Amino acid sequence: GEDVEQSLFLSVREGDSSVINCTYTDSSSTYLYWYKQEPGAGLQLLTYIFSNMDMKQDQRLTVLLNKKDKHLSLRIADTQTGDSAIYFCAVGPILSGYSTLTFGKGTMLLVSP
Amino acid sequence: GAGVSQSPSNKVTEKGKDVELRCDPISGHTALYWYRQSLGQGLEFLIYFQGNSAPDKSGLPSDRFSAERTGGSVSTLTIQRTQQEDSAVYLCASSPRQAGELFFGEGSRLTVL
Repeated sequence: GEDVEQSLFLSVREGDSSVINCTYTDSSSTYLYWYKQEPGAGLQLLTYIFSNMDMKQDQRLTVLLNKKDKHLSLRIADTQTGDSAIYFCAVGPILSGYSTLTFGKGTMLLVSP
Repeated sequence: GAGVSQSPSNKVTEKGKDVELRCDPISGHTALYWYRQSLGQGLEFLIYFQGNSAPDKSGLPSDRFSAERTGGSVSTLTIQRTQQEDSAVYLCASSPRQAGELFFGEGSRLTVL
């Protein structure tokens, strides 16, 4: 089955850029997502990228996909204290018309003032 | 409400008791998913519903776990004869269509003593 790996912890200073990395194993993964989970809350979709794309930018967020290396990254520019949360990478193919996503264990981002 | 609603938000039970966790998806969302989030383990897929049927139950960890969905809306996850290893946050997500974005509830935290 699919295996998704993320580093568990990242600490940055306010105003710096944050880069959260994710690797996956199944080359048939079609949809690649980044979710954010704040304390005591559910997961919120931040952004996503299709496997036929290399990059997607959305305001402070930039997603880069290297299909050859099966590597996905999320860059947050001008990181703010409100960005402190757990970030989950999720990947999956489309099977029989529905998505079955495999999530990584999450990267805890701590932003210090 | 506008979002996915789960109840109870917290449940403490004794080993061996049965528990029921409820998910009320966003109105009109046909797809419903249950995930389990354990400390340090990321999100584990449990079951997927399309309407009232469950085409993918592959993630249910044992026959003590069951789920149903009625009226294409509310879903109940039942855990019989709970064990300490069942302690986790159980997350429900819904989607407006097959292979669509997942909208997560805040989860039900289950603690088995």
